[in-house]
Amino acid sequence: GNSVTQMEGPVTLSEEAFLTINCTYTATGYPSLFWYVQYPGEGLQLLLKATKADDKGSNKGFEATYRKETTSFHLEKGSVQVSDSAVYFCALSDRRSSGDKLTFGTGTRLAVRP
Amino acid sequence: EPEVTQTPSHQVTQMGQEVILRCVPISNHLYFYWYRQILGQKVEFLVSFYNNEISEKSEIFDDQFSVERPDGSNFTLKIRSTKLEDSAMYFCASSESRGGPNNEQFFGPGTRLTVL
Repeated sequence: GNSVTQMEGPVTLSEEAFLTINCTYTATGYPSLFWYVQYPGEGLQLLLKATKADDKGSNKGFEATYRKETTSFHLEKGSVQVSDSAVYFCALSDRRSSGDKLTFGTGTRLAVRP
Repeated sequence: EPEVTQTPSHQVTQMGQEVILRCVPISNHLYFYWYRQILGQKVEFLVSFYNNEISEKSEIFDDQFSVERPDGSNFTLKIRSTKLEDSAMYFCASSESRGGPNNEQFFGPGTRLTVL
């Protein structure tokens, strides 16, 4: 079946530091890949997505590249801000093998210090 | 900006009681979902719903669970006889379409269910 593995948190960084949150996946078909973010007290929000190999998703300074050869979709940001403190979820959907449902990783909590 | 809303934000219930979790999806969306996250674990798919019927469900979604869209705006999840292990954060989501550029699932803020 499909699965997503992401790095354990919490990740604590100082403002303006470089961020990487690792995500790898297992899928039987050709999945779309997503990063969702959850700010305190709010729902999951789509941060970025990529639908095929070598696609790069980007939003709000965050980027992730769909790497089929390494089955990875690592999230990066060059310079984090305090307002980026949140929980980040990597997810996939694979319509051919598992319909519309999203398969999530466990989430990685990011704390950014001023 | 349109958003998915959920009520209540926190529900405490006794084991064996019935609970109904409510969601109001985005108004022009046609596809609806429930997910849950047990504390410290992954967000897990429960069920998807379209055209007034279940499209897909997970093995978690047994006959203790049901979903309904009673009035064209609300989308509810009912747990008939709650168990301790049902304690979790329950997220509702909706999307405009399946596949294509408008298939993003928009999530509500969640209902935290605590079963005592």
